[in-house]
Amino acid sequence: AQSVAQPEDQVNVAEGNPLTVKCTYSVSGNPYLFWYVQYPNRGLQFLLKYITGDNLVKGSYGFEAEFNKSQTSFHLKKPSALVSDSALYFCAVGRKDTGRRALTFGSGTRLQVQP
Amino acid sequence: EAEVAQSPRYKITEKSQAVAFWCDPISGHATLYWYRQILGQGPELLVQFQDESVVDDSQLPKDRFSAERLKGVDSTLKIQPAELGDSAMYLCASTGGEATDTQYFGPGTRLTVL
Repeated sequence: AQSVAQPEDQVNVAEGNPLTVKCTYSVSGNPYLFWYVQYPNRGLQFLLKYITGDNLVKGSYGFEAEFNKSQTSFHLKKPSALVSDSALYFCAVGRKDTGRRALTFGSGTRLQVQP
Repeated sequence: EAEVAQSPRYKITEKSQAVAFWCDPISGHATLYWYRQILGQGPELLVQFQDESVVDDSQLPKDRFSAERLKGVDSTLKIQPAELGDSAMYLCASTGGEATDTQYFGPGTRLTVL
């Protein structure tokens, strides 16, 4: 079985400050990891993914994430937050070595960026 | 940029009624997923199709839910009869041929069962 934990229901940060949204995962085999963002009453928008290679992954809108195999973490980061980054963020894990490709999502973290 | 299309965007129904949701994946995407997202939670898989075949429907409540993708392109998810606990966002996603390909999501259908 695979699972994702997002330990913070909400993260508050001031505009211009760096932000981190935490994610840890549990999966047997080789994982691949995603971050998605969701705005109210909308579907999920892809931000970035880790498949293999460089542990630091850069994605859309200035976001990046660092894969840490020993800590089984994949935290989302951005050097300077914008008010428009305020949204719901989901971390997801999948397995490379199976035909069952569905992702397992965390419960989400609401990011609130104050002006 | 190609997108996953879903309709309707919003659906309000009374319990015991039948409802149906439609999804049109990105052109050429062989794999299609239906997820259910309950308010305050992450999406959970209901059913996965590879072309017209069901790959995984282990979490689909088969007594009331059904899904089909007859020609391996668009798909329909049906609930009959709807229950109060079915109120949720129903998301469709599609992806290409590799296991690690990105899943692209549609805008979802918000179902409210009264």
